[in-house]
Amino acid sequence: QKEVEQNSGPLSVPEGAIASLNCTYSDRGSQSFFWYRQYSGKSPELIMFIYSNGDKEDGRFTAQLNKASQYVSLLIRDSQPSDSATYLCAVISGGYQKVTFGTGTKLQVIP
Amino acid sequence: EAGVAQSPRYKIIEKRQSVAFWCNPISGHATLYWYQQILGQGPKLLIQFQNNGVVDDSQLPKDRFSAERLKGVDSTLKIQPAKLEDSAVYLCASSHGGTFWSSGANVLTFGAGSRLTVL
Repeated sequence: QKEVEQNSGPLSVPEGAIASLNCTYSDRGSQSFFWYRQYSGKSPELIMFIYSNGDKEDGRFTAQLNKASQYVSLLIRDSQPSDSATYLCAVISGGYQKVTFGTGTKLQVIP
Repeated sequence: EAGVAQSPRYKIIEKRQSVAFWCNPISGHATLYWYQQILGQGPKLLIQFQNNGVVDDSQLPKDRFSAERLKGVDSTLKIQPAKLEDSAVYLCASSHGGTFWSSGANVLTFGAGSRLTVL
């Protein structure tokens, strides 16, 4: 079992729709969770992080965490073509805060 | 604040040659990470430093890869000898570190990456 799992996609949504990206993790002791966006040929950049159960909203983005089910999700409302990118889920675990990334989900927003 | 600096941005070498990558993290960041990202995959952690000590190198191919972080600041990742499968982008990232989760102290900031092509 991979430590952090994501559907590689591509996930295609029409412009203006809600995009839903999911991530599951294997270490029940994981402590903090991140969503990064990576455009082709660029480095990952942080969208948001979450560390407690529930929802966290930042503009058009909402992260959801359910530690009991070991999943974290990212919702993107009013999707724009500029949101087309690969979305990486990352998880912190262990005493030295090791950061493990999933394989990423490629999102395509169709105009 | 200045970002994470990496060099070189691009490197092409023949297999069995050696290569070195350099990273200068954000000032004050105690934790430094080197990741390998092969095309179409997520970043894979190679080594993690806390100040100048190694805290995780479980996925570093130690027969050919080495890394050091002098004086707890900048870092060098070396590959010798290189293999075809080492072709990837090598990403350096840094963070403050610690367990104060709400502060975002563990947010990784990435450099632009070093793209290696092994022929």
